[in-house]
Amino acid sequence: EVQLVESGGGLVQPGGSLRLSCAASGFTFSSYGMNWVRQAPGKGPEWVSYISSTSYTIYYAGSVKGRFTISRDNAKNSLYLQMNSLGAEDTAVYYCARDTAAGSPPEYWGQGTLVTVSS
Amino acid sequence: LLMTQSPATLSVSPGERATLFCRASQTFSNNLAWYQQKPGQAPRLLIYGASTRATGIPARFSGSGSGTEFTLTISSLQSEDFAVYYCLQYNNWPFTFGGGTKVEIK
Repeated sequence: EVQLVESGGGLVQPGGSLRLSCAASGFTFSSYGMNWVRQAPGKGPEWVSYISSTSYTIYYAGSVKGRFTISRDNAKNSLYLQMNSLGAEDTAVYYCARDTAAGSPPEYWGQGTLVTVSS
Repeated sequence: LLMTQSPATLSVSPGERATLFCRASQTFSNNLAWYQQKPGQAPRLLIYGASTRATGIPARFSGSGSGTEFTLTISSLQSEDFAVYYCLQYNNWPFTFGGGTKVEIK
């Protein structure tokens, strides 16, 4: 069974940093591209970032480019999101999500971790 | 690519048919997905490739459309289908979601 478990969320002050992690199990992690998708309270989902299985291809949403960095460690079956210069607009539940094939929509999702940016 | 969903809210009685729309700001191939989301849960993939049901999705869910106009149809609403539905274009980076349609009990 595919399992994705996010961690690392919490309360952070504006301008601060946070690193999210996603632990994957139940599949061959190194074979799949991974995404981060976030959802602000009461809003729809917003795709944030993608990393290919080998880390060769990386994409970011314009709203986070230059502030967020996606990475992965295939030996540890883990996905990461380093978030810097956080603002109130970054407050959201952050989900990691696995694709099924290159260029496919995210199919398997974790339950999310809440990031709150507030003073 | 901007994705616009309509209506924002759809009131439907159980057993009735529901039709949800998703319009793209420019034409693209059929890299369009539909998701269902219930409160406190992650989105669940229903349809990809505009019309292909994901694994385990009941046949009452169907997708259609091409170009800029896409449709999700739920043929006979069950109690568990009342939720928010989002379309997602995955043709171009960045992927973009629509604003959602809430399907509520009439």
